[in-house]
Amino acid sequence: DSGVTQTPKHLITATGQRVTLRCSPRSGDLSVYWYQQSLDQGLQFLIQYYNGEERAKGNILERFSAQQFPDLHSELNLSSLELGDSALYFCASSVLARVVAGAADTQYFGPGTRLTVL
Amino acid sequence: AQTVTQSQPEMSVQEAETVTLSCTYDTSESDYYLFWYKQPPSRQMILVIRQEAYKQQNATENRFSVNFQKAAKSFSLKISDSQLGDAAMYFCAYRSYPGGSGSRLTFGEGTQLTVNP
Repeated sequence: DSGVTQTPKHLITATGQRVTLRCSPRSGDLSVYWYQQSLDQGLQFLIQYYNGEERAKGNILERFSAQQFPDLHSELNLSSLELGDSALYFCASSVLARVVAGAADTQYFGPGTRLTVL
Repeated sequence: AQTVTQSQPEMSVQEAETVTLSCTYDTSESDYYLFWYKQPPSRQMILVIRQEAYKQQNATENRFSVNFQKAAKSFSLKISDSQLGDAAMYFCAYRSYPGGSGSRLTFGEGTQLTVNP
């Protein structure tokens, strides 16, 4: 158990719908990262938040958005869903905003949310 | 941008034997971290081992060790005394140092490891 929790574990919805995925980081971790794992794109970084502020953006679609709340939990919102959005969405957390020399800032992953768009 | 390549989609090993998984990467940065993550059938991503690029000594964690060749941009994972529980998808990942492209992990395509009894 990494200490990172994600809900729900599974989500089945229809095209055009909107869903929200939730992540609670490990106690003490200020950074939250979202990754998407799909069959055709592999594991891809979507976005990073640190202490409530967006810090880095990856290959995140405009239909997707995220935020980190004062209690440090994060939500990933996916709207106007398409079949191709079906994937496993991971949240990871770490202590720091970015790697610094000598710091063991490991990213710990949650169990993921399996999204199926029908 | 950095890229990570795992050229072996599948590998198999006999229980108690040794297997080596390959990973190459491309970067213009001089300082960075490299990781191997394991994803068993449960789909949980589990950190296996990490290597700091500025360290010449190869990292080891129990039965897991790496062969880090910085000039060749190669980072292979050796699993000794393979166990049935080692069966999983293994991902090689790259992470920039301060001043680089943030703290994101860039993953390879993965290598599916089968352990035969």
